[in-house]
Amino acid sequence: NAGVTQTPKFRILKIGQSMTLQCTQDMNHNYMYWYRQDPGMGLKLIYYSVGAGITDKGEVPNGYNVSRSTTEDFPLRLELAAPSQTSVYFCASSPGQGELFFGSGTQLSVL
Amino acid sequence: DQQVKQNSPSLSVQEGRISILNCDYTNSMFDYFLWYKKYPAEGPTFLISISSIKDKNEDGRFTVFLNKSAKHLSLHIVPSQPGDSAVYFCAARSNSGYSTLTFGKGTMLLVSP
Repeated sequence: NAGVTQTPKFRILKIGQSMTLQCTQDMNHNYMYWYRQDPGMGLKLIYYSVGAGITDKGEVPNGYNVSRSTTEDFPLRLELAAPSQTSVYFCASSPGQGELFFGSGTQLSVL
Repeated sequence: DQQVKQNSPSLSVQEGRISILNCDYTNSMFDYFLWYKKYPAEGPTFLISISSIKDKNEDGRFTVFLNKSAKHLSLHIVPSQPGDSAVYFCAARSNSGYSTLTFGKGTMLLVSP
């Protein structure tokens, strides 16, 4: 099992550009999450999904969109990149409400 | 409003000694607590958890203690090893319906040989 796979690992965007962060998991987990981690800060929840076709906002959803058309994939979309979105993004999945399994992260810089 | 607080940004310990990482919470609805470990350029990995019906959970060198009245939990690592050097995140989940995890800011542990 590969677990949770995130692509790309690094990306530099210009202000106003858009991009999609990809996340896929092969553990057949129903629950998936997107977090961001700013320097010296904890993980902040952006969006989560409890199953295919169901998504909900987390603590910091502004500027992002998600979709969940399959159990495996949970892409995160940035429509108009802003410097405030410079962060490390982590995707995670879980079989239930217990522990989360994280991907290795995407480091995004918006300049 | 920070519901999960890790007030020590960093901790230095010598190899073989005990490491104690602390975490405080404010939300009395939290009933499940987890510790995650994170190495640079990697995602966090689950370490140990504890339910509010317990006050202690042990897994090898790692023990988590929960003091519900003080809304405080701690992670003890005995003996500490250089490979334990990482950032440790405390996380909590509430018992109200479906609940996501709330994370603290993390404590960087450095274990020196």
